[in-house]
Amino acid sequence: GQNIDQPTEMTATEGAIVQINCTYQTSGFNGLFWYQQHAGEAPTFLSYNVLDGLEEKGRFSSFLSRSKGYSYLLLKELQMKDSASYLCAAVDSNYQLIWGAGTKLIIKP
Amino acid sequence: GAVVSQHPSRVICKSGTSVKIECRSLDFQATTMFWYRQFPKQSLMLMATSNEGSKATYEQGVEKDKFLINHASLTLSTLTVTSAHPEDSSFYICSAPRRGNREAFFGQGTRLTVV
Repeated sequence: GQNIDQPTEMTATEGAIVQINCTYQTSGFNGLFWYQQHAGEAPTFLSYNVLDGLEEKGRFSSFLSRSKGYSYLLLKELQMKDSASYLCAAVDSNYQLIWGAGTKLIIKP
Repeated sequence: GAVVSQHPSRVICKSGTSVKIECRSLDFQATTMFWYRQFPKQSLMLMATSNEGSKATYEQGVEKDKFLINHASLTLSTLTVTSAHPEDSSFYICSAPRRGNREAFFGQGTRLTVV
């Protein structure tokens, strides 16, 4: 079956760095997305990786290892507004998104 | 970039009535539209895949007679929740992925509350 695993909840301090991990098992693979979702709102796009390696975009970076079925989202210089759920989603061979349950990130002052 | 517009954003309806949710792709043709449902503190769950000009494909456990999907044009897909019950209260989101494109574009979501 297809499966995405990510931690349920993480806590970090304002100004610090946090890494949110995601492992996946899918039928075929056409890339991996990271989305941010604030409560009651639709997800917003953060990153997309299809090749191995690290992609940096401002304070956010995303890493992918296809051989290990593993990705992480790295958030630097955390701000209070970064408190949200972070969803990992893998794209299968039919271009459907297989979603993780999301990681709730709590930022403390 | 591409935009998917979903309407309404919030709706409250009485038990037993029907509610229609619209999803429009504003600057591209969406041959496929995914409809998701999200319960509080849970992930997005795929309900069905609508394809322009053909019948929608429903995920296991989703009642096709209750959740009517119509994808009559390349820019519009609709989800109708028929005979709504309180347990149908949820957040419904549409998504229009594009092959070869790096993003799956989401509508703004619809918060449905059935009282």
